[in-house]
Amino acid sequence: GQNIDQPTEMTATEGAIVQINCTYQTSGFNGLFWYQQHAGEAPTFLSYNVLDGLEEKGRFSSFLSRSKGYSYLLLKELQMKDSASYLCAAMDSNYQLIWGAGTKLIIKP
Amino acid sequence: DADVTQTPRNRITKTGKRIMLECSQTKGHDRMYWYRQDPGLGLRLIYYSFDVKDINKGEISDGYSVSRQAQAKFSLSLESAIPNQTALYFCATSEPGLDTGELFFGEGSRLTVL
Repeated sequence: GQNIDQPTEMTATEGAIVQINCTYQTSGFNGLFWYQQHAGEAPTFLSYNVLDGLEEKGRFSSFLSRSKGYSYLLLKELQMKDSASYLCAAMDSNYQLIWGAGTKLIIKP
Repeated sequence: DADVTQTPRNRITKTGKRIMLECSQTKGHDRMYWYRQDPGLGLRLIYYSFDVKDINKGEISDGYSVSRQAQAKFSLSLESAIPNQTALYFCATSEPGLDTGELFFGEGSRLTVL
């Protein structure tokens, strides 16, 4: 079956760095996506990886290893506004997104 | 104004009632989707449409139906609501031909079935 695993909750300190991991098993693979979702709001797109390696976008970076079925989202210089859920999603061979349950990130001052 | 608008934002109803959730978008996208989100679970696809004449079932279409009235409008119906359909429902759009998975979500419709 198809499956996405990510931690349920993580806590980090303002100004620090946090890495949110995601492992996936899909029928075929057409890319790995990260979305941010603040409480009570809609998810918003953060990043897309289809090739192995690190993609950097400001304070956020996303890494993919296709051979390991593994990705992580790295958030640097954490700010209070980064408190949110981070959703990992993998696109299968039919171009359908398979979503993880999300990681709730709590930022403490 | 939001590019993807859902109505109603909140709805409480009773078991057996018919409910319609509406979605309209100004992004000009051909592709539209309905998802539901439950605590502890990932987003699950209910139905999707790649253009006005195209309707496809998603992972959990049982108990739901949809209508694509125009490029900009995609409605989700629960013919006879049941309590386990209590969830947060999201409409989303994406651009055609770019299989990047970047979805643009509406603000969500929270449905409670008593």
